[in-house]
Amino acid sequence: QVQLQESGPGLVKPSETLSLTCTVSGGSVSTGSYYWNWIRQPPGKGLEWIGYVYYSGSVNYNPSLKSRVTISVDTSRTQFSLTLNSVTAADTAVYYCARIHTSGFDPDYWGQGSLVTVSS
Amino acid sequence: QSVLTQPPSASETPGRRVTIFCSGGRSNIGNNPVKWYQQLPGTAPKLLIYRNDQRPSGVPDRFSGSKSGTSASLAISGLQSEDEADYYCAAWDDSLNGQVFGGGTKLTVL
Repeated sequence: QVQLQESGPGLVKPSETLSLTCTVSGGSVSTGSYYWNWIRQPPGKGLEWIGYVYYSGSVNYNPSLKSRVTISVDTSRTQFSLTLNSVTAADTAVYYCARIHTSGFDPDYWGQGSLVTVSS
Repeated sequence: QSVLTQPPSASETPGRRVTIFCSGGRSNIGNNPVKWYQQLPGTAPKLLIYRNDQRPSGVPDRFSGSKSGTSASLAISGLQSEDEADYYCAAWDDSLNGQVFGGGTKLTVL
């Protein structure tokens, strides 16, 4: 059974960079059947898709965050990462990593989430 | 403003059946499988339904999903108090080339 686990600082100062890593166990990030995604949820609000990386390194980002986001994959470490630049309080959220099948025909797997607070 | 539209709230009494609806467009629900997630307070979303009507192992058959055109629904029968949670619909969107979500429906079991 594949498992995903987010890790990274829980507190980031305004204007700085948020960095999170997702470690995948029980599966490989090198398969071509899945997108490796980041999704976030501000406190008390709904879910927002941030973007994905494919095993080849190709990416796609939500246009609302595209200028500030980078997602990358490290196949040797079975990890993928998120960086978000120039953060503000509006970026405070629980950040989830998730494996989503490219055709939607297999179940998703999500991590437990990592709360990141932007505050000085 | 969420891409998929859900009612913000729903309520029903224990033992009864409730249906939550989700509306989208041709680029998402109309052309891709629908998923439903259940989120209990303070926890990560849990996948209840994928591929429109399929349940992952361990999800009770009280939960069922369906899709027609650009709309989908989640039905919960034999409501229990532990079903009180937020429910989100989702689908891949071909225009965004990413996953879009509904705004969530807060289910209250009276």
